[in-house]
Amino acid sequence: QVQLQESGPGLVKPSGTLSLTCAVSGGSISSSYWWSWVRQPPGKGLEWIGEIYHSGSTNYNPSLKSRVTISVDKSKNQFSLKLSSVTAADTAVYYCARKRTTYNTFDIWGQGTMVTVSS
Amino acid sequence: DIQMTQSPSSLSASVGDRVTITCQASQDISNYLNWYQQKPGKAPNLLIYDASNLETGVPSRFSGSGSGTDFTFTISSLQPEDIATYYCQQYNNLPLTFGGGTKVEIE
Repeated sequence: QVQLQESGPGLVKPSGTLSLTCAVSGGSISSSYWWSWVRQPPGKGLEWIGEIYHSGSTNYNPSLKSRVTISVDKSKNQFSLKLSSVTAADTAVYYCARKRTTYNTFDIWGQGTMVTVSS
Repeated sequence: DIQMTQSPSSLSASVGDRVTITCQASQDISNYLNWYQQKPGKAPNLLIYDASNLETGVPSRFSGSGSGTDFTFTISSLQPEDIATYYCQQYNNLPLTFGGGTKVEIE
Protein backbone atom coordinates (compact mmCIF):
# COMPACT_ATOMS: atom_id res chain seq x y z
CA GLN A 1 0.00 0.00 0.00
CA VAL A 2 1.06 3.58 -0.57
CA GLN A 3 3.00 5.21 2.25
CA LEU A 4 4.24 8.77 2.67
CA GLN A 5 7.24 9.87 4.70
CA GLU A 6 8.22 13.45 5.44
CA SER A 7 11.82 14.47 5.99
CA GLY A 8 13.70 17.68 6.62
CA PRO A 9 15.19 19.91 9.33
CA GLY A 10 13.27 20.14 12.58
CA LEU A 11 14.62 23.59 13.38
CA VAL A 12 14.66 26.62 11.09
CA LYS A 13 15.86 30.12 11.93
CA PRO A 14 13.50 33.09 11.64
CA SER A 15 13.57 34.66 8.15
CA GLY A 16 14.98 31.42 6.78
CA THR A 17 13.42 28.88 4.44
CA LEU A 18 11.66 25.75 5.59
CA SER A 19 12.33 22.81 3.26
CA LEU A 20 10.60 19.45 3.51
CA THR A 21 10.40 16.41 1.26
CA CYS A 22 7.74 13.73 1.11
CA ALA A 23 8.82 10.35 -0.22
CA VAL A 24 6.10 8.22 -1.81
CA SER A 25 6.50 4.46 -1.54
CA GLY A 26 4.28 1.59 -2.67
CA GLY A 27 2.88 3.57 -5.58
CA SER A 28 3.71 6.08 -8.28
CA ILE A 29 3.60 9.82 -7.82
CA SER A 30 2.46 9.91 -11.45
CA SER A 31 -0.86 8.31 -10.56
CA SER A 32 -4.07 10.34 -10.62
CA TYR A 33 -3.87 12.09 -7.27
CA TRP A 34 -2.93 15.50 -5.99
CA TRP A 35 -0.03 15.57 -3.54
CA SER A 36 -0.59 17.99 -0.71
CA TRP A 37 0.92 19.67 2.32
CA VAL A 38 -1.14 20.37 5.44
CA ARG A 39 0.17 21.86 8.68
CA GLN A 40 -0.99 21.96 12.28
CA PRO A 41 0.41 24.43 14.84
CA PRO A 42 0.80 22.97 18.33
CA GLY A 43 -2.62 22.49 19.93
CA LYS A 44 -4.43 24.00 16.95
CA GLY A 45 -6.34 22.90 13.87
CA LEU A 46 -5.41 21.91 10.34
CA GLU A 47 -4.37 24.31 7.58
CA TRP A 48 -4.08 23.33 3.92
CA ILE A 49 -0.87 24.75 2.44
CA GLY A 50 -1.08 23.63 -1.17
CA GLU A 51 -0.83 20.77 -3.63
CA ILE A 52 0.80 19.56 -6.80
CA TYR A 53 -0.13 17.17 -9.60
CA HIS A 54 2.48 15.04 -11.34
CA SER A 55 2.16 17.29 -14.38
CA GLY A 56 3.53 20.12 -12.25
CA SER A 57 0.24 21.97 -11.82
CA THR A 58 -0.03 23.57 -8.40
CA ASN A 59 -2.62 25.19 -6.15
CA TYR A 60 -1.66 27.21 -3.09
CA ASN A 61 -3.45 28.67 -0.12
CA PRO A 62 -3.63 32.43 -0.86
CA SER A 63 -2.64 33.15 2.75
CA LEU A 64 0.76 31.55 2.08
CA LYS A 65 1.07 31.79 -1.68
CA SER A 66 3.75 34.50 -1.73
CA ARG A 67 6.05 32.31 0.38
CA VAL A 68 5.28 28.76 -0.80
CA THR A 69 6.72 26.60 -3.54
CA ILE A 70 5.71 22.97 -4.03
CA SER A 71 7.61 20.89 -6.54
CA VAL A 72 7.63 17.29 -7.73
CA ASP A 73 10.53 14.99 -8.63
CA LYS A 74 9.10 12.06 -10.55
CA SER A 75 12.50 10.37 -10.89
CA LYS A 76 12.71 10.10 -7.10
CA ASN A 77 8.97 9.58 -6.57
CA GLN A 78 8.79 12.48 -4.14
CA PHE A 79 7.48 16.00 -3.77
CA SER A 80 8.75 18.93 -1.76
CA LEU A 81 7.69 22.04 0.12
CA LYS A 82 9.61 25.27 0.48
CA LEU A 83 8.29 28.03 2.74
CA SER A 84 10.33 31.21 2.81
CA SER A 85 10.65 34.08 5.30
CA VAL A 86 9.47 31.93 8.18
CA THR A 87 8.46 33.26 11.58
CA ALA A 88 7.45 31.64 14.84
CA ALA A 89 3.91 31.47 13.47
CA ASP A 90 5.11 28.83 11.01
CA THR A 91 6.02 26.45 13.83
CA ALA A 92 3.84 23.40 13.28
CA VAL A 93 3.63 19.73 12.47
CA TYR A 94 3.81 19.48 8.69
CA TYR A 95 2.00 16.61 7.00
CA CYS A 96 2.19 15.46 3.44
CA ALA A 97 -0.96 13.80 2.16
CA ARG A 98 -2.41 12.20 -0.94
CA LYS A 99 -5.64 13.76 -2.16
CA ARG A 100 -8.11 11.95 -4.40
CA THR A 101 -9.32 13.82 -7.44
CA THR A 102 -12.86 12.67 -6.63
CA TYR A 103 -14.35 14.18 -3.48
CA ASN A 104 -11.01 15.90 -2.73
CA THR A 105 -10.40 13.62 0.23
CA PHE A 106 -7.04 13.27 1.93
CA ASP A 107 -6.95 9.49 2.03
CA ILE A 108 -3.31 8.80 2.91
CA TRP A 109 -1.14 10.88 5.24
CA GLY A 110 2.47 10.87 6.30
CA GLN A 111 3.22 10.61 10.01
CA GLY A 112 4.01 14.31 10.17
CA THR A 113 7.18 16.16 11.06
CA MET A 114 7.52 18.90 13.67
CA VAL A 115 9.24 22.06 12.46
CA THR A 116 10.17 24.73 14.99
CA VAL A 117 11.12 28.25 13.93
CA SER A 118 13.53 29.64 16.47
CA SER A 119 16.91 31.28 16.66
CA ASP B 1 -12.25 31.66 1.91
CA ILE B 2 -15.06 29.45 3.17
CA GLN B 3 -15.11 29.39 6.97
CA MET B 4 -16.06 26.13 8.66
CA THR B 5 -17.44 26.40 12.19
CA GLN B 6 -17.63 23.27 14.29
CA SER B 7 -19.52 22.86 17.55
CA PRO B 8 -19.01 22.03 20.24
CA SER B 9 -15.25 22.50 20.48
CA SER B 10 -15.15 19.70 23.01
CA LEU B 11 -17.50 17.22 24.59
CA SER B 12 -17.48 14.48 27.19
CA ALA B 13 -19.73 11.44 26.92
CA SER B 14 -20.08 7.94 28.27
CA VAL B 15 -19.30 4.72 26.46
CA GLY B 16 -22.37 3.73 24.47
CA ASP B 17 -23.69 7.29 24.17
CA ARG B 18 -24.77 8.83 20.89
CA VAL B 19 -22.46 11.74 20.01
CA THR B 20 -23.30 14.48 17.54
CA ILE B 21 -21.00 17.15 16.11
CA THR B 22 -22.11 19.94 13.83
CA CYS B 23 -20.22 21.79 11.13
CA GLN B 24 -21.52 24.99 9.54
CA ALA B 25 -20.13 26.49 6.36
CA SER B 26 -20.03 30.25 5.73
CA GLN B 27 -21.65 29.66 2.34
CA ASP B 28 -23.44 26.91 0.45
CA ILE B 29 -21.02 24.04 -0.20
CA SER B 30 -23.62 21.53 -1.49
CA ASN B 31 -22.46 18.17 -0.10
CA TYR B 32 -18.75 18.85 -0.61
CA LEU B 33 -17.71 17.95 2.92
CA ASN B 34 -15.43 15.35 4.47
CA TRP B 35 -14.88 14.26 8.08
CA TYR B 36 -11.62 13.13 9.68
CA GLN B 37 -10.60 11.63 13.01
CA GLN B 38 -7.28 12.58 14.57
CA LYS B 39 -5.93 10.69 17.56
CA PRO B 40 -3.26 12.34 19.73
CA GLY B 41 0.14 12.40 18.06
CA LYS B 42 -1.21 10.88 14.85
CA ALA B 43 -2.15 12.08 11.40
CA PRO B 44 -5.83 12.58 10.57
CA ASN B 45 -7.78 9.63 9.21
CA LEU B 46 -10.60 9.90 6.68
CA LEU B 47 -13.97 8.69 7.97
CA ILE B 48 -16.70 10.24 5.81
CA TYR B 49 -16.56 11.74 2.32
CA ASP B 50 -19.10 13.68 0.30
CA ALA B 51 -21.01 14.47 3.52
CA SER B 52 -22.50 11.03 4.07
CA ASN B 53 -20.40 8.29 2.48
CA LEU B 54 -18.52 5.97 4.81
CA GLU B 55 -14.90 5.38 3.83
CA THR B 56 -14.02 1.72 3.29
CA GLY B 57 -13.05 -0.01 6.52
CA VAL B 58 -14.58 2.61 8.81
CA PRO B 59 -17.00 1.21 11.43
CA SER B 60 -20.67 1.74 10.71
CA ARG B 61 -21.26 3.54 14.02
CA PHE B 62 -19.86 6.62 12.28
CA SER B 63 -22.18 8.55 9.97
CA GLY B 64 -22.59 11.95 8.37
CA SER B 65 -25.45 13.97 6.95
CA GLY B 66 -26.35 17.41 5.69
CA SER B 67 -26.02 19.64 2.68
CA GLY B 68 -25.80 23.31 1.89
CA THR B 69 -24.37 25.00 4.96
CA ASP B 70 -25.27 22.65 7.82
CA PHE B 71 -23.74 19.25 8.43
CA THR B 72 -23.83 16.67 11.19
CA PHE B 73 -21.39 13.93 12.19
CA THR B 74 -22.66 11.19 14.50
CA ILE B 75 -21.14 8.36 16.49
CA SER B 76 -24.10 6.11 17.26
CA SER B 77 -22.49 4.34 20.21
CA LEU B 78 -19.30 5.88 21.56
CA GLN B 79 -16.42 3.46 22.09
CA PRO B 80 -13.21 4.02 24.08
CA GLU B 81 -11.16 3.94 20.87
CA ASP B 82 -13.17 6.88 19.51
CA ILE B 83 -11.34 9.31 21.80
CA ALA B 84 -9.97 11.80 19.31
CA THR B 85 -10.46 15.18 17.71
CA TYR B 86 -12.81 15.29 14.72
CA TYR B 87 -12.50 17.75 11.83
CA CYS B 88 -14.76 18.67 8.94
CA GLN B 89 -13.22 19.83 5.64
CA GLN B 90 -14.91 21.55 2.71
CA TYR B 91 -13.90 21.13 -0.89
CA ASN B 92 -16.40 23.34 -2.65
CA ASN B 93 -13.75 26.00 -3.22
CA LEU B 94 -10.03 26.47 -2.93
CA PRO B 95 -8.45 27.02 -0.52
CA LEU B 96 -9.55 23.80 1.11
CA THR B 97 -10.49 24.64 4.68
CA PHE B 98 -11.06 22.70 7.87
CA GLY B 99 -13.26 23.27 10.86
CA GLY B 100 -11.62 24.07 14.18
CA GLY B 101 -12.09 20.56 15.49
CA THR B 102 -14.17 18.85 18.18
CA LYS B 103 -12.35 17.00 20.92
CA VAL B 104 -14.27 13.96 22.15
CA GLU B 105 -13.51 12.57 25.60
CA ILE B 106 -14.92 9.79 27.75
CA GLU B 107 -16.69 10.74 30.99
